[in-house]
Amino acid sequence: AQSVSQHNHHVILSEAASLELGCNYSYGGTVNLFWYVQYPGQHLQLLLKYFSGDPLVKGIKGFEAEFIKSKFSFNLRKPSVQWSDTAEYFCAVIHRFSGGYNKLIFGAGTRLAVHP
Amino acid sequence: NAGVTQTPKFRVLKTGQSMTLLCAQDMNHEYMYWYRQDPGMGLRLIHYSVGEGTTAKGEVPDGYNVSRLKKQNFLLGLESAAPSQTSVYFCASTTAGGWETQYFGPGTRLLVL
Repeated sequence: AQSVSQHNHHVILSEAASLELGCNYSYGGTVNLFWYVQYPGQHLQLLLKYFSGDPLVKGIKGFEAEFIKSKFSFNLRKPSVQWSDTAEYFCAVIHRFSGGYNKLIFGAGTRLAVHP
Repeated sequence: NAGVTQTPKFRVLKTGQSMTLLCAQDMNHEYMYWYRQDPGMGLRLIHYSVGEGTTAKGEVPDGYNVSRLKKQNFLLGLESAAPSQTSVYFCASTTAGGWETQYFGPGTRLLVL
């Protein structure tokens, strides 16, 4: 079964530091990839997504992610984090089948704390 | 356009009590989901529905039941709550096909004593 691994469970950064959060999924095929963010006390919101086309996708708030098919990876990056980026980040993958139900699989999440 | 709403926001139950969580969406989405979120485990799918009147089991369905009598509503029931069901429950919805972006509700925090 498909699984999603997020390499870091907790990340602590200072403001203006660069961020890269790893995400790998277990097997290929045609996939849709997502990064969701959950700010403290809030629900999950879409940060960015990849369905097809340019493997470098840009999302909200200066985040971007790169899909590398050969590595089954979809890492999230931001060149300069802010205190307001403190949140939990979830990578998620779904397969696009021709029929049947497609289940969205989530990683365990990465808690990011940004210090001023 | 409220998106996805959940009722209640917070609830405390005693072991063995029952309750129903309500999810409503106003986006005319076909697919709806119930997840639970536990520390270090991400979101795990409890049950889902691909349309009005249909439901199916997800990854962790035991101890829960669901109903989708109306397209816009998806109910999650706990017949006999257990401490292991202490969690944050999120509802989500998306368009038909299920591979598009899922839109999440604000969550229900449930504590079972």
